[in-house]
Amino acid sequence: QSALAQPPSASGSPGQSVTISCTGTSGDVGVYNFVSWYQQHPGKAPKLMIYEVDKRPSGVPDRFSGSKSGNTASLTVSGLQTEDEADYFCSSYAGRNNVKFGGGTKLTVL
Amino acid sequence: QLQLQESGPGLVKPSETLSLTCTVSGGSINTLTYYWGWIRQPPGKGLEWIGSCLYSGSTSFNPSLKSRATISVDTSKNQFSLKVTSVTATDTAVYYCARQSAYSYYMEVWGEGTTVTVSS
Repeated sequence: QSALAQPPSASGSPGQSVTISCTGTSGDVGVYNFVSWYQQHPGKAPKLMIYEVDKRPSGVPDRFSGSKSGNTASLTVSGLQTEDEADYFCSSYAGRNNVKFGGGTKLTVL
Repeated sequence: QLQLQESGPGLVKPSETLSLTCTVSGGSINTLTYYWGWIRQPPGKGLEWIGSCLYSGSTSFNPSLKSRATISVDTSKNQFSLKVTSVTATDTAVYYCARQSAYSYYMEVWGEGTTVTVSS
């Protein structure tokens, strides 16, 4: 099955905002509000940052926000901090108990 | 606090079967609220969902694995396990187990991951 499409890289300066896109199809992102985002630092396990498109788990800063329009979901990080530098992966339910991930975006804080 | 820990051989020969176990602590695997899933990440690449199971034994898998993967549950040990048959070098990856929401399919809690290398 094809992965969700993410830009390979994104960057921003401390204090700025950056948005990462995640493009799927009418069979996954476009039809289900079950999009989630994960942050992964080098050598570490992924960490859930956003679920159900725009919900934040307890403990995740409100600088992280999610949205969706059509077949594309987005993760916005506002007020960038150096510790936000990491890989970010999106995921979506794709029907029939199937889950897809995106290829990942490396976020660099300049 | 729920914790998951993967265990199993770090080296598997080509054409053989990869076997991993995930031990759940700080909570029970006997719940309809969560699936118990496996995800892998080849070196330098993205995440790939392998499949998941309920405590009852009901399972779902990524079609791309073409029936090579099975997942089983041992409720008496609070563990679930992954087997992947006929492995090749492309199965070399860090393998993670995770607790997956049964309603909206996100991976809420992750294990630290275990590296499996396929090589003779």
